[in-house]
Amino acid sequence: DGGITQSPKYLFRKEGQNVTLSCEQNLNHDAMYWYRQDPGQGLRLIYYSQIVNDFQKGDIAEGYSVSREKKESFPLTVTSAQKNPTAFYLCASSSYGTGYSNQPQHFGDGTRLSIL
Amino acid sequence: AQSVTQLGSHVSVSEGALVLLRCNYSSSVPPYLFWYVQYPNQGLQLLLKYTSAATLVKGINGFEAEFKKSETSFHLTKPSAHMSDAAEYFCAVIPRAGGFKTIFGAGTRLFVKA
Repeated sequence: DGGITQSPKYLFRKEGQNVTLSCEQNLNHDAMYWYRQDPGQGLRLIYYSQIVNDFQKGDIAEGYSVSREKKESFPLTVTSAQKNPTAFYLCASSSYGTGYSNQPQHFGDGTRLSIL
Repeated sequence: AQSVTQLGSHVSVSEGALVLLRCNYSSSVPPYLFWYVQYPNQGLQLLLKYTSAATLVKGINGFEAEFKKSETSFHLTKPSAHMSDAAEYFCAVIPRAGGFKTIFGAGTRLFVKA
């Protein structure tokens, strides 16, 4: 079945360490997104990508970085510059382009990141 | 800028009672409208979407939502709550003009009492 796979499900970060969260999709979607979810704050957009080799900052990009070298993959790196990284991270994808502006997003099951 | 307001961060109902979760959008041009559900430690799943066909939209698990342009609303309802409906629900929009990113509401957590 098509879907989005996020790994790992749980991740721990030490002070000063960068960690990378994986997101892979086999839905043939052009657009991919990363969200951060904190209790009571809904979803906040970190980065998004509409096509391979291109991505844009979302609302809270500071302390994060991404790459989009393949259509299927959109990894997120939480750098040591992100001082409060403890959160639930969600990756999503959707169709993009003319005629696709009303398409819903498909989500992975998330990665929970905690500080050691 | 487009925004989405969900009234009530928490809603509690008894099993078998009506579920009503409220959502209002801010734009004068009706956007595309969605409801998603999130169970604990999982991602969001699409419940239903409105894209300008019938104003009453039926979704999965017995949920439905009615688009009311005059009230800029898209409230989610279910006639009879089940314990399994306990989850967080997000209303979301995609602006019709020049948008493809989804704008999410803050979410409403639904509690179902036995």
